[in-house]
Amino acid sequence: RKEVEQDPGPFNVPEGATVAFNCTYSNSASQSFFWYRQDCRKEPKLLMSVYSSGNEDGRFTAQLNRASQYISLLIRDSKLSDSATYLCVVNMHNFNKFYFGSGTKLNVKP
Amino acid sequence: NAGVTQTPKFQVLKTGQSMTLQCAQDMNHEYMSWYRQDPGMGLRLIHYSVGAGITDQGEVPNGYNVSRSTTEDFPLRLLSAAPSQTSVYFCASSYSGGADGYTFGSGTRLTVV
Repeated sequence: RKEVEQDPGPFNVPEGATVAFNCTYSNSASQSFFWYRQDCRKEPKLLMSVYSSGNEDGRFTAQLNRASQYISLLIRDSKLSDSATYLCVVNMHNFNKFYFGSGTKLNVKP
Repeated sequence: NAGVTQTPKFQVLKTGQSMTLQCAQDMNHEYMSWYRQDPGMGLRLIHYSVGAGITDQGEVPNGYNVSRSTTEDFPLRLLSAAPSQTSVYFCASSYSGGADGYTFGSGTRLTVV
């Protein structure tokens, strides 16, 4: 079983739609959680951290559910520019080692 | 600020050759890591460092060596390249390790033939 699992997609949605991704992790002792965005043939870039209380940044909302060991990302009012792969990232075993999911691909269509 | 700089951007090696992927950051970050990214596998941690002189293994360390003689530089050495090491390699750095995520370099695309 992978440490971090994501639905690979692709999620094909029209502009303006709301879309949600989930990510499950295996280690209940994980402490830090992030969502990264990766454009085709580019490096991953930090989108947002995920806090226990949840957090929101504009159209993006991230939630953490420790009991069920998953994190989620909600994108409202999707834009064409949101088309990318979204990577779930969790730290495991110690604070300095981060484990990435294989990513969920989002295609926003006109 | 240049951020995290990786060189080369592209490389083709023959099986058995060795080479060093360079990574440098100018943000005075203590934490640095090397990842490889393969289709369907996500990014996998190869080696990481929490400061100059300190390195440790990640998920897939076999066939790779690292050293950290300065805060700025964290080179990754392939000892004897194999086709299974064909991948995209990313170097990343962080000021505080876990709390604020990592900044990535633009990657090195390596093909071993």
